[in-house]
Amino acid sequence: QVQLVESGGGVVQPGRSLRLSCAASGFTFSNYAMYWVRQAPGKGLEWVAVISYDGSSKYYADSVKGRFTISRDNSNNTLYLQMNSLRTDDTAVYYCARDPETTRVLAWYFDLWGRGTLVTVSS
Amino acid sequence: SYELTQPPSVSVSPGQTARITCSGDALPNQYAYWYQQKPDQAPVLVMYKDSERPSGIPERFSGSSSGTTVTLTITGVQAEDEADYYCQSADTSGSPVFGGGTKLTVL
Repeated sequence: QVQLVESGGGVVQPGRSLRLSCAASGFTFSNYAMYWVRQAPGKGLEWVAVISYDGSSKYYADSVKGRFTISRDNSNNTLYLQMNSLRTDDTAVYYCARDPETTRVLAWYFDLWGRGTLVTVSS
Repeated sequence: SYELTQPPSVSVSPGQTARITCSGDALPNQYAYWYQQKPDQAPVLVMYKDSERPSGIPERFSGSSSGTTVTLTITGVQAEDEADYYCQSADTSGSPVFGGGTKLTVL
């Protein structure tokens, strides 16, 4: 069925790195832009990054710009988030999510979400 | 930075109508989207482009827009509708912005 499954979360010390993955199935992954969205414990949702269907365009929230890198492997239907210089305020559940449009223009909303993976940054 | 404002909580009895509002200065010029999130689950899109309902979402969910406020209405609330609801729109640069969320309690 159509689904997104995140992995790679865990406990990491401040300043260290972590890479998240999101495996897509049940749809043509290479047709869709993809996002990472996070949610700190007990808090609301925050957009993190987006990548176009072919990986040629990437945008980041100011809070992660210069530290996080979004990428994708369309041959393996996988989305990634490389997180460097992690801070305690990066602690959150990280969701991957799909843009609903296949017209190559970002719709900037999310029609399919994974269940998330928890990243805890703590010494 | 741009903000979307939601009430922290809304409470209704089963069968009644719940209205959840979301206010933002740019809403007259930007679409709004609504997500339902139940405890320990991923968000689910329940309304897009102010008032369009995705397939699979019950007809009791509807959306409307008036000026700087958008409203998600659930007519004939059921116990299964108890969840957190988040509105989302875009700031002037087009980046997604979420409201703080509204906890819907079904009494």
